[in-house]
Amino acid sequence: GQNIDQPTEMTATEGAIVQINCTYQTSGFNGLFWYQQHAGEAPTFLSYNVLDGLEEKGRFSSFLSRSKGYSYLLLKELQMKDSASYLCALNTNAGKSTFGDGTTLTVKP
Amino acid sequence: EAQVTQNPRYLITVTGKKLTVTCSQNMNHEYMSWYRQDPGLGLRQIYYSMNVEVTDKGDVPEGYKVSRKEKRNFPLILESPSPNQTSLYFCASRFVGGGNQPQHFGDGTRLSIL
Repeated sequence: GQNIDQPTEMTATEGAIVQINCTYQTSGFNGLFWYQQHAGEAPTFLSYNVLDGLEEKGRFSSFLSRSKGYSYLLLKELQMKDSASYLCALNTNAGKSTFGDGTTLTVKP
Repeated sequence: EAQVTQNPRYLITVTGKKLTVTCSQNMNHEYMSWYRQDPGLGLRQIYYSMNVEVTDKGDVPEGYKVSRKEKRNFPLILESPSPNQTSLYFCASRFVGGGNQPQHFGDGTRLSIL
């Protein structure tokens, strides 16, 4: 299986940096993806990792360590609009896609 | 505009009455997939399709059917809906080639089965 664990909720302050962790147990996967989902809306793609290391995209970065079964999403210069749920997902070569239950981030002024 | 379109957006119906949720994408994506999202449980994959006439079960396929007769369309069929299928449903699509590709999601369909 591809059990994925994320913290249920996190709170951070506007302007700060927050790290959302994702751990998984799997026999193999192609890439690890991060999506943002505002309440009542569709998920939207943020970042992905295929190889170990850090991928940076503006205020968002994602890190992967396959040997440790671990990824994180780093959000810098937090804004109020970053309050949302963040989903970690794994894709396999065969097409299966498994999502974590998501981390609800609340950004406070 | 590149998009995934689901219809209907909202539906309230009764147990046992067959229903179909349509999904269409205009991005020429090979891969399409259906998910359900329940409170606290994240997205769970129902069925997916790697290309026309190729479909496979996801993690929660019981009670659902799909078909992929055309590249752009991937309808989700509930032959005999039951209350435990009350949920928020998302359709998604992506390219298959070129390694990993992110999924593009429709706006969701909220189904209530009474």
